[in-house]
Order: sequence, then C-alpha cells, then structure tokens
Amino acid sequence: DAGVTQSPTHLIKTRGQQVTLRCSPKSGHDTVSWYQQALGQGPQFIFQYYEEEERQRGNFPDRFSGHQFPNYSSELNVNALLLGDSALYLCASSLNSWDSPLHFGNGTRLTVT
Amino acid sequence: GIQVEQSPPDLILQEGANSTLRCNFSDSVNNLQWFHQNPWGQLINLFYIPSGTKQNGRLSATTVATERYSLLYISSSQTTDSGVYFCAVERVTNAGKSTFGDGTTLTVKP
Repeated sequence: DAGVTQSPTHLIKTRGQQVTLRCSPKSGHDTVSWYQQALGQGPQFIFQYYEEEERQRGNFPDRFSGHQFPNYSSELNVNALLLGDSALYLCASSLNSWDSPLHFGNGTRLTVT
Repeated sequence: GIQVEQSPPDLILQEGANSTLRCNFSDSVNNLQWFHQNPWGQLINLFYIPSGTKQNGRLSATTVATERYSLLYISSSQTTDSGVYFCAVERVTNAGKSTFGDGTTLTVKP
C-alpha cells in the first residue's frame, strides 16, 4: 500500500523563478492538501483539491496555484519566487469525508537564493 | 481564524519518564489530530480524536471538545519519541482546512 509520495525531495531556485512540486496521494484517497512549513513553525494550510477543483484556500497570494489530475495526483506551482518562500512543502491526502485523517508525504525542501 | 496553542513549547525527559502535552483551541471543531514530526521532517498521524479518549500502545489522547482542549500522554518514553508533536484542528465552518499549533519539541535523553 503506497503512501503519499512527493517529488523532488530537495530543490534550489533563484529569486524570481518558478517552481512546480508534485504529489501522489495514498492509494484510495481522492483529496489532496498542500502545506508550507517554515523552520520552527507548524505547517500552514495553502489549499485543498478535490475533484480537480480548489475547494479551500488559506492566506497565500495568487503566486501559489495548484492543480489536481484525474488520477488524484496534484501539483503546487509557485511563481516569482521570494526568499521567504524557502520552506518545507508538505502534501497530505485524505478521503472526501469529514472524519478522514490526513496522511502526509515526506515533503519537498525548497531553498530560494 | 481559529487559534491553536500548544504547551509546553519544549520538554526534555529522561528515558522511561511520562509526559503530558496540551493543545488548547479557541473555537468549536469537528476534527482534531495529533502528529509526530521526526528529526527528518516526516509527519506521522498519531490520533484522529475530535472527542473522547483513544490509546495506541504507550500513547493515549483525550479531547474534551466542550472545554476546547486535548491532551496527549506519552508513557515510558523512549529516545525514538523525540521530535515535534503537533495538534491540528478543523473548524466546523471551515471543513478541509486544518490549522496547526506551533508544536511541542520533545527531547528524550538516554
């Protein structure tokens, strides 16, 4: 039973560039959420996708966008990277149910120089 | 938005000791989860516990939804319990958006 997988594991980008992070949900899950975790802080909710639509969004600028594919996998895109975007980006999958626990991937460590 | 406060922020124990971690939240929730983040950054779901008590081995958790707090108990701690423990809640009116606390950093010394 495959868990949540994310790629790449590490990434170094330059200010102003664009980045795409990828996530495959746990087998059987249909809902994907993305979180940003800065050093020493708890994860911050970016957005959630279900049925290829953005269902919920946190307090992140439009530079952060996403997509969900018919096979439930998802991408997170960040445009015009800022130094402050350096963080661990976590993908979580769940079932479309109010009582479904979140299962997290190992994250992508993004460094913006 | 909802506020989630965890205490203590840091905890240092000797192997074998017991501990209690607390999570307070400021609004009604329909979803509360406890996570352990190991030193490599991996977040593991420990409990889904919007109310009541659950136990899993040396770990147990209790949520008193009416008083807006949850407790995580770790008994006979081991060095592998070290890491950061997070509480995450979801408001009834904001399903799908989990809000995390800033965590409790636990260090278990041999």
